[in-house]
Amino acid sequence: EVQLVESGGGLVQPGGSLRLSCTASGFSFTMHSMNWVRQAPGKGLEWVSYISSSSSTRYYADSVKGRFTISRDSAKNALYLQMNSLRGEDTAVYYCARDRYGDHDFDLWGQGTLVTVSS
Amino acid sequence: DIVMTQTPVSSPVALGQPASISCTSSQSLVHSDGNTYLSWLHQRPGQPPRLLVYKISNRFSGVPDRFSGSGAGTHFTLRISRVEAEDVGVYYCMQATQFPHTFGQGTKLEIK
Repeated sequence: EVQLVESGGGLVQPGGSLRLSCTASGFSFTMHSMNWVRQAPGKGLEWVSYISSSSSTRYYADSVKGRFTISRDSAKNALYLQMNSLRGEDTAVYYCARDRYGDHDFDLWGQGTLVTVSS
Repeated sequence: DIVMTQTPVSSPVALGQPASISCTSSQSLVHSDGNTYLSWLHQRPGQPPRLLVYKISNRFSGVPDRFSGSGAGTHFTLRISRVEAEDVGVYYCMQATQFPHTFGQGTKLEIK
């Protein structure tokens, strides 16, 4: 089955760190660029970060630049988001999303993992 | 950053009736490669978003043909020819022409 499964969310104190994982299956992970998108409770969607298929190109939203790091491990078919210096406004469901091959549309989404930043 | 603005914010529609959602971008979404990376996504309560339409007017695999997208440049529209109960939820337009990718604020479709 073609799917993305996120993990690693949870409750963390302000200033803390968390690493999210997204495991891909059922398709050739190495062929696709990947993204993280988040959704605060009751709010809309916010793009967070992008990594190209070769990891050579990475982009970040200004709101997370310098605090979050995206990476991938092709051997494990895994995408990661290292989140440091977490703030209350980072509280959200974090989704990984696949770029449609050769294009820039998000054609496959995971179920999401909830990150709560609170003392 | 490109700002995406959707109207209406909420749309009550009777079953079997048409619905239309507009999306306007603050600048042209035509990419240097000639494509326009404007897509539409649908999110049901408690579910992740799913892709409906990509590059303005291309229906994604498995999407019913009652969904159609149109537009160009900075103005885009998603139309549902006959709303069904399963169409409720929030619709988002998204631009992937430029980083940061940005989403509209969402349009909530509900059954009247």
